[in-house]
Amino acid sequence: LAKTTQPISMDSYEGQEVNITCSHNNIATNDYITWYQQFPSQGPRFIIQGYKTKVTNEVASLFIPADRKSSTLSLPRVSLSDTAVYYCLVGVGSGNTGKLIFGQGTTLQVKP
Amino acid sequence: DTGVSQDPRHKITKRGQNVTFRCDPISEHNRLYWYRQTLGQGPEFLTYFQNEAQLEKSRLLSDRFSAERPKGSFSTLEIQRTEQGDSAMYLCASSIGLAYNEQFFGPGTRLTVL
Repeated sequence: LAKTTQPISMDSYEGQEVNITCSHNNIATNDYITWYQQFPSQGPRFIIQGYKTKVTNEVASLFIPADRKSSTLSLPRVSLSDTAVYYCLVGVGSGNTGKLIFGQGTTLQVKP
Repeated sequence: DTGVSQDPRHKITKRGQNVTFRCDPISEHNRLYWYRQTLGQGPEFLTYFQNEAQLEKSRLLSDRFSAERPKGSFSTLEIQRTEQGDSAMYLCASSIGLAYNEQFFGPGTRLTVL
C-alpha cells in the first residue's frame, strides 16, 4: 500500500478554510484516496473519498491533481467542533479485504 | 439502524486474565474489521471477516488473540492471558459491498490491563 505523508499538526481559527495536504508518491493506478476524521475516544468517521480531480460533499472537498501524487482535504469555515485528527489513506481499493492502513494523521486544533 | 455497537465500552482487568469483546455491525454489512489503537497512534488493523469467514489476520494478532464471527452476524474478540501491552482501544468497523467502500466504526472498547 502507498505510503502517505501529512503534517503532524495544524492550527486554525473559527470561520477559516483549512487545507490539509497529503503526499502519496507511490499511489497505484487503481488506488482511491480516502480521508477519515477522529474525535477523542471515538472511532474514525469517513469524510470523503476520490480518485481524481475534485470531489465535494456536504462537509468537505477533496482536490486531486492530475498526477495523483498528492491530495488536499479542504474544510470550509471550520468551527471548534472540527478539532480532531484527520487521516489520509491511500490504497484501500487494492486487494480484496479493504483493510485501512492509518498513519499518525494530522491533529487539527481550531481556536476561537 | 443505530450503527456499529461494541460491548463493553470499558474493561479493566488484571494481567493474566482473559477478556472478550463483542461487536454488533450494521445489519447486512458483510465485511467486519477489528482494529487496535494506542494513544497518539492511528488505528492498526487486526483482522477481517467477510461474512463468517476470517480472511486476513495481522501479524499483530498473536496466538493469544482469537476472533470469531458466527453466522456472519456479530463478532467477538478474545484475548487470553492479557499483558499490560494489550492495553488499548479496540475498534470494530463494518462495511458492505466493494472493498474500498466506507467503513463505519463503533465507539470502541477501552481495555486497561493492570
